[in-house]
Amino acid sequence: EIVLTQSPGTLSLSPGERATLSCRANESVSGGYLAWYQQRPGQAPRLLIYGASSRATGIPDRFSGSGSGTDFTLTISRLEPEDFAVYFCQQYGTSPVTFGGGTRVGIK
Amino acid sequence: QVQLVQPGAEVKKPGASVRLSCKASGNTFSTYYMHWVRQAPGQGLEWMGIINPTAGYTNYAQRFQGRVTMTRDTSTSTVYMDLSSLTSEDTAVYYCAGGNVLTEAFDIWGQGTMVTVSS
Repeated sequence: EIVLTQSPGTLSLSPGERATLSCRANESVSGGYLAWYQQRPGQAPRLLIYGASSRATGIPDRFSGSGSGTDFTLTISRLEPEDFAVYFCQQYGTSPVTFGGGTRVGIK
Repeated sequence: QVQLVQPGAEVKKPGASVRLSCKASGNTFSTYYMHWVRQAPGQGLEWMGIINPTAGYTNYAQRFQGRVTMTRDTSTSTVYMDLSSLTSEDTAVYYCAGGNVLTEAFDIWGQGTMVTVSS
């Protein structure tokens, strides 16, 4: 199965700062089928980015995704208070679907 | 507004089985494949399998093979997941999630059912 490794495990930033989250796969992600999800405490995950770089419906443009092959990045250009949460990457191009371990973005 | 509705909680004893439900509103069955994903307390997300609600086709993660069964009732737009031989390691929130047939990303999620396995 494809193993996704997210880094860093925790990111401590202030509102207004830029966040850069990494997701690395142990083999190429088929078709660029890489997604990013946000999860706030006590809530279900929410789709932010699919196809490595396409924003989901209703997602603000401060969220952007990039990358291909085995290396992917989620960038939040200016952190808003509601962005402090856990972020997971996911590959859905090869069965089984797999998720990264998550990056927690916390308030500095 | 497409929604997936799940019951809030289940408590089971070790060795028992659990049936979880996920009811979809709107025309979800023709627009989404339905996945089950679980999350143990304080842990990450784990994909369990997929069911095509219209055709009934299923594909399960290998580690759950033989222990999980996913079914659907098209008359009520509900999908079910049965998980047997429960242990304390199955204590988790179980989410159903809709994989869009066009993009295949999981763009709708239920609110999750907390399953606690305890003697």
